[in-house]
Amino acid sequence: EPEVTQTPSHQVTQMGQEVILRCVPISNHLYFYWYRQILGQKVEFLVSFYNNEISEKSEIFDDQFSVERPDGSNFTLKIRSTKLEDSAMYFCASSRVTETQYFGPGTRLLVL
Amino acid sequence: AQSVTQPDIHITVSEGASLELRCNYSYGATPYLFWYVQSPGQGLQLLLKYFSGDTLVQGIKGFEAEFKRSQSSFNLRKPSVHWSDAAEYFCAVGRNQAGTALIFGKGTTLSVSS
Repeated sequence: EPEVTQTPSHQVTQMGQEVILRCVPISNHLYFYWYRQILGQKVEFLVSFYNNEISEKSEIFDDQFSVERPDGSNFTLKIRSTKLEDSAMYFCASSRVTETQYFGPGTRLLVL
Repeated sequence: AQSVTQPDIHITVSEGASLELRCNYSYGATPYLFWYVQSPGQGLQLLLKYFSGDTLVQGIKGFEAEFKRSQSSFNLRKPSVHWSDAAEYFCAVGRNQAGTALIFGKGTTLSVSS
């Protein structure tokens, strides 16, 4: 069964550094998403992406965040200058034209 | 405001006993409802979903959920819990449009005792 994959599984970075989280969505899916879950809190929507454009974004998704589909298979989330409060589990998801989103295993980001 | 409430943070059930996890939502439009499960170290796996039609929906691993519009609820049930069901369960609501955000509850952690 096709799955969403994410790399790395864990990343530790220093405050102020840039990080790029990578995702490979399910191959015939058209919509891509990033969510995050700060420890002990809800899973929160960050952004959705379709046809090389952002479809929707939350208030969390400010100028320090960006997304890109650099090639036909990868979908990335860049955090330009990480802050301590960016420490979280980041989930990538994808969907076809239906509304069902399929999630990857997550990347745990720790900002020191 | 759109929101999902899972009133129970942690539930412990004996193996073989029945289970019900509660979910209430507040949503302005017709909701699309989902239950996801997260085992330790794993991603969010879709258990079941409700879009329309029969308000009792069946999912994987023997789970079912019932949509009750009058109560704004979408409770998850399983008649007989197995030790492997121990995990965190998330209820989520979304619009009937691809590319839009899912709103999640805080989750319920299920422990299974022998």
